[in-house]
Amino acid sequence: GAVVSQHPSWVICKSGTSVKIECRSLDFQATTMFWYRQFPKQSLMLMATSNEGSKATYEQGVEKDKFLINHASLTLSTLTVTSAHPEDSSFYICSARPDLSTDTQYFGPGTRLTVL
Amino acid sequence: AQSVTQLDSHVSVSEGTPVLLRCNYSSSYSPSLFWYVQHPNKGLQLLLKYTSAATLVKGINGFEAEFKKSETSFHLTKPSAHMSDAAEYFCVVSEKGSYIPTFGRGTSLIVHP
Repeated sequence: GAVVSQHPSWVICKSGTSVKIECRSLDFQATTMFWYRQFPKQSLMLMATSNEGSKATYEQGVEKDKFLINHASLTLSTLTVTSAHPEDSSFYICSARPDLSTDTQYFGPGTRLTVL
Repeated sequence: AQSVTQLDSHVSVSEGTPVLLRCNYSSSYSPSLFWYVQHPNKGLQLLLKYTSAATLVKGINGFEAEFKKSETSFHLTKPSAHMSDAAEYFCVVSEKGSYIPTFGRGTSLIVHP
């Protein structure tokens, strides 16, 4: 149980285009989803916290107009990287928290974004 | 405020020998502590978690960790390393109530044959 999927697993796009990454909780409902960015050989950097039906809470320094997050249902959150540039190339990982009584997160497999 | 310090960026062991990955934390309130493992180009897998029950926590794949409040530590151990244990390990703390996680920088475990 507690499986989180991400789609796509990797994507290559041209500079200036937008890319959408999906995060789904497959066998549970997630009241909260988190989006992380990970640079090579580094730890995960929390970008934003997404609660179903409300606006995402972004961490300091993360541009909300650049990284659009939509948590439309209890099983789906999307991250859209708008007008992508090469510096946006990274490994993006989502996680989902099943309910308000636990702080255990279950992580997706990650999405490798390369912007040319 | 909460923080996590993973004391070693790399740990190198021989197959069959014990593993010790060190983690110290700082938390204003009663913390939850986690260890996650990440294999190359993969997401994170939960190894174990401490949430104020037993201080010695057993996880998957033979790993365990002991919560020591007096030392503010949550070190991860395994009696005998396998080649498949080679990966990146993250110690994570979150405070009850906020549930916002803070990650350590990670420790790369290298296992030699």
